[in-house]
Amino acid sequence: DAGITQSPRHKVTETGTPVTLRCHQTENHRYMYWYRQDPGHGLRLIHYSYGVKDTDKGEVSDGYSVSRSKTEDFLLTLESATSSQTSVYFCAISGLGEGYGYTFGSGTRLTVV
Amino acid sequence: EDKVVQSPLSLVVHEGDTVTLNCSYEVTNFRSLLWYKQEKKAPTFLFMLTSSGIEKKSGRLSSILDKKELSSILNITATQTGDSAIYLCAVGTSGSRLTFGEGTQLTVNP
Repeated sequence: DAGITQSPRHKVTETGTPVTLRCHQTENHRYMYWYRQDPGHGLRLIHYSYGVKDTDKGEVSDGYSVSRSKTEDFLLTLESATSSQTSVYFCAISGLGEGYGYTFGSGTRLTVV
Repeated sequence: EDKVVQSPLSLVVHEGDTVTLNCSYEVTNFRSLLWYKQEKKAPTFLFMLTSSGIEKKSGRLSSILDKKELSSILNITATQTGDSAIYLCAVGTSGSRLTFGEGTQLTVNP
């Protein structure tokens, strides 16, 4: 998918455990984003990054943290997974930001039991 | 709080029909409006509309931005079963962020 990969593709985890999802890009894009997609809500922004070590919160950031130590990697961590965090998580990248089109990864389906 | 609303939420048509999908928005610092198509996996980019480019067309798909009415439509003519997907509308604002609508689930029956 245009130089963006997410891992893992699927994960089942238990309530209360920490989980880290990885987004890796080979496009050298400045902007990276984490969204979750749920029925009835569409795509909602969790966190985003506008450069190495520069991150900011989105509309549904509670219970999530992110890190970006290299341009190519953006990690999303669920500090203590809850059933409400069962969702499909998409990473996206953008070279221009400011509302320009994103390229999305293939998604990670996370189930918290 | 930025808000994007799409309608209808779902639509079932027959091959050959023409469909119109709607998107309205209430945001601060509007920069662009984008349409995406989502089949089984990741959304794929269709169009981006801005103040300097309010109409786009690609094959059977076209889109118009109405900045006065704060809305956009996506038209698909002569629909095919391959057009079955979720169509997402998103609005870009300052700060490099996109706010998405809930999406319209389009089903095209043969």
